[in-house]
Amino acid sequence: QVQLVQSGAEVKKPGASVKVSCKASGYTFTSYGISWVRQAPGQGLEWMGWISGYNGNTNYAQNLQGRVTMTTDTSTSTAYMELRSLRSDDTAVYYCARVFYAGMEVIDYWGQGTLVTVSS
Amino acid sequence: DIQMTQSPSSLSASVGDRVTITCRASQSISNYLNWYQQKPGKAPKLLIYAASTLQTGVPSRFSGSGSGTDFTLTISTLQPEDFATYYCQQTYTTLWTFGQGTKVEIK
Repeated sequence: QVQLVQSGAEVKKPGASVKVSCKASGYTFTSYGISWVRQAPGQGLEWMGWISGYNGNTNYAQNLQGRVTMTTDTSTSTAYMELRSLRSDDTAVYYCARVFYAGMEVIDYWGQGTLVTVSS
Repeated sequence: DIQMTQSPSSLSASVGDRVTITCRASQSISNYLNWYQQKPGKAPKLLIYAASTLQTGVPSRFSGSGSGTDFTLTISTLQPEDFATYYCQQTYTTLWTFGQGTKVEIK
């Protein structure tokens, strides 16, 4: 069965960086993409970006350009999301999710989420 | 970026009711529209993709329709487990966006 298992909760100070991991299993990692989505407390879903599991191509949300980097390690079927220069409004649950192609990109399976708290 | 606007933002309904949620895109997105359900403290779950294709395992009381800029998610007979927040999402451009969500509450 498809599983995406994320790393544990993080507490960071403003200005620091965080790197969240997402280990995939139950499918061929390089045949799908990985998207990252975050959700601030009590708020809606915010799409952060997408990375191809095949060739590592990326698309990032415009408001995060320059602060976010998404990578993959195909040898371990793991995706990573690094966010730099953290601010208090980056406090959120961060989700990784699998992307499949059905004539268009569709997010189907989600990780359990990683809470990142930014506080001085 | 393409803006996705859902309406209503919240609604109260009873078990057995028919519920319709709308999602409007700021420009045409053909049928590049997906719907997700999220329950408190849980990750979202894919319900419908490509505007009207039911994801495997999702009950048939859920249906989606629309094309271009206007889309709807319908729950034909609301069940207790359907009380949740629903999000639409477009993947028409390389910059994907979600609607703000519609919370379906118990009346």
